[in-house]
Amino acid sequence: GENVEQHPSTLSVQEGDSAVIKCTYSDSASNYFPWYKQELGKRPQLIIDIRSNVGEKKDQRIAVTLNKTAKHFSLHITETQPEDSAVYFCAAGHGNNRLAFGKGNQVVVIP
Amino acid sequence: DARVTQTPRDKVTEMGQEVTMRCQPILGHNTVFWYRQTMMQGLELLAYFRNRAPLDDSGMPKDRFSAEMPDATLATLKIQPSEPRDSAVYFCASGPGDTQYFGPGTRLTVL
Repeated sequence: GENVEQHPSTLSVQEGDSAVIKCTYSDSASNYFPWYKQELGKRPQLIIDIRSNVGEKKDQRIAVTLNKTAKHFSLHITETQPEDSAVYFCAAGHGNNRLAFGKGNQVVVIP
Repeated sequence: DARVTQTPRDKVTEMGQEVTMRCQPILGHNTVFWYRQTMMQGLELLAYFRNRAPLDDSGMPKDRFSAEMPDATLATLKIQPSEPRDSAVYFCASGPGDTQYFGPGTRLTVL
């Protein structure tokens, strides 16, 4: 089955700086890659997703890039703010509606 | 803004008792998922349904867990008998396809 790994496990950034989280996946058939943000005690919330026919997608301060050849995709957060502090999960899926989730990255934005 | 709902939000029970968790998926979504989240294991897929038919429940301990969708507006996850190792947050998610939207979760504590 699909195996998704996230690095680094914890990331601390100064407010205003950029944060980048990288995920790797194992199944070359995967074609859907969402990112979820989970604040403490809350539900995972979909923040952005990308499909394999697109290399990059942007939504205000967040963007996702996909490298199908290397089988990795990254979440970019620019101009980080304290409210960006959360755990971020990446996932990969390939058409059967199932998603394989990574273990999550803790992002801490230092004011 | 339609959302997945789950009840109860918190449940404390004693070992050996039956626990039933309920989920109302977003109207029109044809896939429903049950996940368990713990610090050690992250997000684990327990079972999922498409058009109310169970597709995969290989993530569940079969002897004590059961998942059903009596109708399109209700999914249930039962644990009987419950054990302390079942303590976790249980999330339901629904989606129209690949994309999944999570409910607020049920925090289960088995004493």
